[in-house]
Amino acid sequence: AQTVTQSQPEMSVQEAETVTLSCTYDTSESDYYLFWYKQPPSRQMILVIRQEAYKQQNATENRFSVNFQKAAKSFSLKISDSQLGDAAMYFCAYRWGNDMRFGAGTRLTVKP
Amino acid sequence: KAGVTQTPRYLIKTRGQQVTLSCSPISGHRSVSWYQQTPGQGLQFLFEYFSETQRNKGNFPGRFSGRQFSNSRSEMNVSTLELGDSALYLCASSLQGSTSTDTQYFGPGTRLTVL
Repeated sequence: AQTVTQSQPEMSVQEAETVTLSCTYDTSESDYYLFWYKQPPSRQMILVIRQEAYKQQNATENRFSVNFQKAAKSFSLKISDSQLGDAAMYFCAYRWGNDMRFGAGTRLTVKP
Repeated sequence: KAGVTQTPRYLIKTRGQQVTLSCSPISGHRSVSWYQQTPGQGLQFLFEYFSETQRNKGNFPGRFSGRQFSNSRSEMNVSTLELGDSALYLCASSLQGSTSTDTQYFGPGTRLTVL
């Protein structure tokens, strides 16, 4: 069964610094999709970044980038120049066909 | 373009009652998926509807059901509520859903409390 593991329940970063959130997954498939979602306190979950497994190039969205290591089944999220508004729960998600699974989440705190 | 909307946002029910939650997808999106989010189990997939048909179903008891209307709006029903059904219920919409490469967009959720 495909599983998604986020080994860091909580992370903390100083404002303007860089933080990396980890995610590993288990799959026997070769063509799938990976996502990072952000869920701020009491607010809507929004897509941060998405990666297609067949693409070797790491996805980047402004201050957010991923380190996708397909062989290692690793998909980490790097947040550069952290801002107070980045404080949220971050969920890593895997999708193959109709199977979509989420990790348990990492709570990110940003210190001023 | 308006985002995914869910009503009501908060709901309090007692054990044994039933509840209906509503989700309106982004205009043009035909797929609606429902998820249950709890502190203990995290995000779990309930089911997906596409063009008024249930396409996929997660591992939940038959008390959880849903439907989708011709305008793609979806409702989720939980009958004979149990304390363990207390959760945030999220719906997400996408253009074509699970058979495509679409990204899902989430609504704000309905927080259900069962007393």
